[in-house]
Amino acid sequence: KAGVTQTPRYLIKTRGQQVTLSCSPISGHRSVSWYQQTPGQGLQFLFEYFSETQRNKGNFPGRFSGRQFSNSRSEMNVSTLELGDSALYLCASRTGTGNFGYTFGSGTRLTVV
Amino acid sequence: TQLLEQSPQFLSIQEGENLTVYCNSSSVFSSLQWYRQEPGEGPVLLVTVVTGGEVKKLKRLTFQFGDARKDSSLHITAAQPGDTGLYLCAGAERSNNAGNMLTFGGGTRLMVKP
Repeated sequence: KAGVTQTPRYLIKTRGQQVTLSCSPISGHRSVSWYQQTPGQGLQFLFEYFSETQRNKGNFPGRFSGRQFSNSRSEMNVSTLELGDSALYLCASRTGTGNFGYTFGSGTRLTVV
Repeated sequence: TQLLEQSPQFLSIQEGENLTVYCNSSSVFSSLQWYRQEPGEGPVLLVTVVTGGEVKKLKRLTFQFGDARKDSSLHITAAQPGDTGLYLCAGAERSNNAGNMLTFGGGTRLMVKP
């Protein structure tokens, strides 16, 4: 069974640019969540999608957005990049119901210069 | 937003020693999950505890959920170098629309020396 696939693994962008990250969940998982991990703040929740609808959103500015497609694949977009957006962006999937844990991808390491 | 305090932040021990990591909150979570993360990889789920007072064992790892579902602990017996990594506790919050989000503790970085 394939795991959660995130692309690309590494990305270097310049301040002011925008970036799109992709996540393919485990087959059959309808819930996809995104987290940002930094040394200073740890892991912070960005948003959760289920059946193409955003169910929850964390405390991040509107520059951070996402979407989910009918095949459950998800993308997140960050516009007008700032140096502080440099982080490991993690995608996690789950079936969408119950108390089951999440399966995380390996993440996309974004560096903003 | 609920907060999770995890302690200790760093732990360096010799192979064969025992250790306990604590995860505390002033709020109740619907479930508590423990993850382990290796450098350059995403967190890997170790266990989910749901019921207050629940104890789960995974080989040399013992997980406990507090009676009030506000705190949890992870105990490792006879630690091995392969246990080295970042251990994260995460509380699951249910939202009104049946959504789910995880609040993570700050993590415990464990190093087990041979």
